Amino acid sequence: GQQVMQIPQYQHVQEGEDFTTYCNSSTTLSNIQWYKQRPGGHPVFLIQLVKSGEVKKQKRLTFQFGEAKKNSSLHITATQTTDVGTYFCAGPRIYNQGGKLIFGQGTELSVKP
Amino acid sequence: EAGVAQSPRYKIIEKRQSVAFWCNPISGHATLYWYQQILGQGPKLLIQFQNNGVVDDSQLPKDRFSAERLKGVDSTLKIQPAKLEDSAVYLCASSFSEGSYNEQFFGPGTRLTVL
Repeated sequence: GQQVMQIPQYQHVQEGEDFTTYCNSSTTLSNIQWYKQRPGGHPVFLIQLVKSGEVKKQKRLTFQFGEAKKNSSLHITATQTTDVGTYFCAGPRIYNQGGKLIFGQGTELSVKP
Repeated sequence: EAGVAQSPRYKIIEKRQSVAFWCNPISGHATLYWYQQILGQGPKLLIQFQNNGVVDDSQLPKDRFSAERLKGVDSTLKIQPAKLEDSAVYLCASSFSEGSYNEQFFGPGTRLTVL
C-alpha cells in the first residue's frame, strides 16, 4: 500500500540554525499537507501544496512540492524555540479523492536556546 | 469559532474493559475523522464519516472498535474489549467537506492507557 516516509525522525538544533525535513511518498500525490504538533498538543494545519514544483513561504518556513509530486520538504530558517514540535506531512490515500490522509511518522524538532 | 471538542481528555482502564470517547466537530463540518496516534508515530485514520454515513472504515479493527455519528454531528468511538496495544491518543478531526484538499481541524485528543 501507499507509504509516506519522513526523514529525519529527530533533529536537534541550536537556536538560530536552519532545519529541514523531507517527505517521500511511494505514489504520486494530488496534493500534500503539512501539520505541526506541539509537545502534548494536537496536529495543526500549516499549509497545502498542490502544483508540481510549487514553493510556498510562511515567514521563516518554506514548503516545496517536488516536480514529480512524490516528495516534499519543509525548511525553517533561523529556528526559534517556538518552532519546537513534530512536523508531519500527509497525502491522500487515493489520488485526488476523498479525505483519507496518510501521515508520515513525523520529524521531531528540538531547539536548544 | 469553537474548535473540535473531545472528552474525556484522559482515560485509564484495565485490559478487557470497555471505553468510549466523544467528539463534537466544528459547527457546519460535514466530515468527521477518528485517528489513532501511537507514541512516536503519525496519526492513523480509523474511520471517516460524511454526515452520518461511513465513508472509510478499512483500518478500523471491527472486532473490538465501533463508531457512530448519529444525526451527523457528534460522534462516539468505542473499544470493547480493550487490549494493551490500544494505548494511544485518539484524535477526532473535522473538515468542511470530504475532499482531500480540505484542511482538517483536530481536537485535543483522548489519551488512553490500557493496563
